[in-house]
Amino acid sequence: SQTIHQWPATLVQPVGSPLSLECTVEGTSNPNLYWYRQAAGRGLQLLFYSVGIGQISSEVPQNLSASRPQDRQFILSSKKLLLSDSGFYLCAWSGGASGETQYFGPGTRLLVL
Amino acid sequence: ILNVEQSPQSLHVQEGDSTNFTCSFPSSNFYALHWYRWETAKSPEALFVMTLNGDEKKKGRISATLNTKEGYSYLYIKGSQPEDSATYLCAFRWSSGTYKYIFGTGTRLKVLA
Repeated sequence: SQTIHQWPATLVQPVGSPLSLECTVEGTSNPNLYWYRQAAGRGLQLLFYSVGIGQISSEVPQNLSASRPQDRQFILSSKKLLLSDSGFYLCAWSGGASGETQYFGPGTRLLVL
Repeated sequence: ILNVEQSPQSLHVQEGDSTNFTCSFPSSNFYALHWYRWETAKSPEALFVMTLNGDEKKKGRISATLNTKEGYSYLYIKGSQPEDSATYLCAFRWSSGTYKYIFGTGTRLKVLA
């Protein structure tokens, strides 16, 4: 069966510090991978998605970036965090035999102070 | 700009009541409409994937309908129970060959015992 992991679960970072959030998927190959953010009181906003290694589509201009160094690994990064980067970050995957359905990881709660 | 709207934003019902809420999406270039349930402290969990106009899906006491011509989907919960309390999200994917999804802001349901 497929599983999706995200870490860390929570993170408190000062403004201007770097960020690296990691997401890995097990039990499937060549998944579509997604990073979403939920800011306080708002819905899920798509940040990045990837249909293959090294292929990243960015949805909103921001100081975040994403990379997919391996088939089942998706990394969200920032060189310098802003206060507005605080939120709940979710990784998700879809594709293969599971078709359209997206499966979400446990999420990372990020607080930038 | 593609917009997915959900109403109401929040809802309180008594245990045993039936309820429904709406997801509105662009009616052109439709590909798929997803419903998710998001419980507090958990990840969003897929309920339904709907692709055809007139689709009706059912899972236990929860069902959904789809009208792609007018751009809306209804989610129904029959005989609400406290464990149905969650945020219900819909997500729209359009047929531009992209793998990305636009999420609504969700309907927050609270079922009172």
